Amino acid sequence: DSGVTQTPKHLITATGQRVTLRCSPRSGDLSVYWYQQSLDQGLQFLIQYYNGEERAKGNILERFSAQQFPDLHSELNLSSLELGDSALYFCASSVGGGGPQETQYFGPGTRLLVL
Amino acid sequence: GDSVTQMEGPVTLSEEAFLTINCTYTATGYPSLFWYVQYPGEGLQLLLKATKADDKGSNKGFEATYRKETTSFHLEKGSVQVSDSAVYFCALSDRTFGNEKLTFGTGTRLTIIP
Repeated sequence: DSGVTQTPKHLITATGQRVTLRCSPRSGDLSVYWYQQSLDQGLQFLIQYYNGEERAKGNILERFSAQQFPDLHSELNLSSLELGDSALYFCASSVGGGGPQETQYFGPGTRLLVL
Repeated sequence: GDSVTQMEGPVTLSEEAFLTINCTYTATGYPSLFWYVQYPGEGLQLLLKATKADDKGSNKGFEATYRKETTSFHLEKGSVQVSDSAVYFCALSDRTFGNEKLTFGTGTRLTIIP
């Protein structure tokens, strides 16, 4: 158990809908990362938050947004869903702030199926 | 930008065979290197890491050495078990503040047959 929790575990929805994925980082970690794992794109970085502020952005679509709350949990919002958004979405956390000891610990993921 | 190139899979080995999964990287800075493992139906688990040249990461019988001169971080295990069947991902992190994201290779699916 990495200490990172994600809910829900599975999500089935229809095209055009909006969903929210939730992540709670390990105790003491200030950084939260979101990754998407799909068959065609592999594992891709979406976005990072550090202590409530957006820190880095990767290949995140404009239809997707995220935030980190004062208690450091994070939510990833996916809207106007398309079939191609079906994927496994991982959250990871780390202490944050950079440095050689930075290690990201991953949650179990949320499997999203868009029908 | 940063990138990781990993040995194409799938790889199938017999139990107790020697394993090597090749990984090379391209990075603008001085990255930390990682191997993550994904067991069937599960999330990513950190297997081992190395943070500077010539460091050897090791865990559960797996080893990888950070080779700066060849920009490589190959994963090895002397005697694999059926329980090692999983997908293995090589990854790097620039680790500078604001650029700590992980860049992953494509993953190598490993199947061990009894």
